[in-house]
Amino acid sequence: QSALTQPPSASGSPGQSVTISCTGTSSDVGGYNYVSWYQQHPGKAPKIMILEVTKRPSGVPDRFSGSKSGNTASLTVSGLQAEDEADYYCSSYAGSSIWVFGGGTKLTVL
Amino acid sequence: QVQLVQSGAEVKKPGASVKVSCKASGYTLTDYNMHWVRQAPGQGLEWMGRIVSNSGGTNYAQKFQDRVTMTRDTSISTAYMELTRLTSDDTAVYFCARGHNFGFDYWGQGTLVTVSS
Repeated sequence: QSALTQPPSASGSPGQSVTISCTGTSSDVGGYNYVSWYQQHPGKAPKIMILEVTKRPSGVPDRFSGSKSGNTASLTVSGLQAEDEADYYCSSYAGSSIWVFGGGTKLTVL
Repeated sequence: QVQLVQSGAEVKKPGASVKVSCKASGYTLTDYNMHWVRQAPGQGLEWMGRIVSNSGGTNYAQKFQDRVTMTRDTSISTAYMELTRLTSDDTAVYFCARGHNFGFDYWGQGTLVTVSS
């Protein structure tokens, strides 16, 4: 099972919006509405930001939103804040009780 | 509140095995799947496998199929991940993560495993 494809980096100024993509195949991202997104600050454990493509768990700011089109999922961060600077990872269920992660995107707030 | 507390850092020699524990609190271990994810230094997250909530069955990533064993002791609400035949490529932080709606909603703090001669 190959890793999902994410851009290595993304950036935006405070207050702006940025979108991070996550491209898979019809066997994972495109085949199931089970894409999730995680935020990871240096030296910390990942934190869930989005479940099932679009669902925001309790406590996650509504500045974070998810979507999917075909084999590509996206995470959009609106109204960028300094604390949003982190690594972001997507994950997808890939069938047959297997999960796969993306390679990660480093988000820089300029 | 839900917490996953993992065992401490380990240093192992090549060829050895390591067993990492993950103690769950704030919920019943058998109500949720437990996944294991690792992260090599400066690298991304890699899914290793899971132990299924009710049955205790396991599913492993093909890459680890012949070297990993995931178990649990429900009497002490603790899950375990054992990895054998360690090489330097296994140097990583290992995380346990609770499965929820096909994602991972709570994570342990991570356990650094260093493989060095």
